Amino acid sequence: AQKITQTQPGMFVQEKEAVTLDCTYDTSDPSYGLFWYKQPSSGEMIFLIYQGSYDQQNATEGRYSLNFQKARKSANLVISASQLGDSAMYFCAMRAGFQKLVFGTGTRLLVSP
Amino acid sequence: DTAVSQTPKYLVTQMGNDKSIKCEQNLGHDTMYWYKQDSKKFLKIMFSYNNKELIINETVPNRFSPKSPDKAHLNLHINSLELGDSAVYFCASSHPGGYTEAFFGQGTRLTVV
Repeated sequence: AQKITQTQPGMFVQEKEAVTLDCTYDTSDPSYGLFWYKQPSSGEMIFLIYQGSYDQQNATEGRYSLNFQKARKSANLVISASQLGDSAMYFCAMRAGFQKLVFGTGTRLLVSP
Repeated sequence: DTAVSQTPKYLVTQMGNDKSIKCEQNLGHDTMYWYKQDSKKFLKIMFSYNNKELIINETVPNRFSPKSPDKAHLNLHINSLELGDSAVYFCASSHPGGYTEAFFGQGTRLTVV
């Protein structure tokens, strides 16, 4: 069975600083994908970044990067130079093979001026 | 062009009523999903269809009946609505397999009174 754990219910960061949102996962499948989604207060789910289990390099998308440590089964999201618009819920998710996309409980990020 | 669209965005109804939520995607994806997000923001899969065929059916009351007339559409019909059905329901689509992200609709906020 797949499981995603996000241990930080809430995080605070000042504008322009970097922040790391933690995510650990568990699966017995050697082939899987890891995803991060952002959910602003308006409610939509926005895909941010993806990491494949066989990818050699950490994924990056603009200010987002995924710190993938396979041996530790962690896939932390790093947001550099935080902006006020980054305030939102952030969800880590994974899918192994053709199984369902499983989500963590989310982390609420608040960016202060 | 909206990739995944679901209607309505808001739905307020009385207990015992029957209601439907519609979802359409224009991304050419084979797989579509229904997720339920509860008041604590936890996202849980309900159903998944691949090419109109039901492939995931989580432990969901049989008052919930999905229907996929073609691979671009996945509707959700709910009979005899209960207070506990109040939640945000998300439709999503993806290519099959673990290496591609899922794209979400804007969500339908269902309130049962």
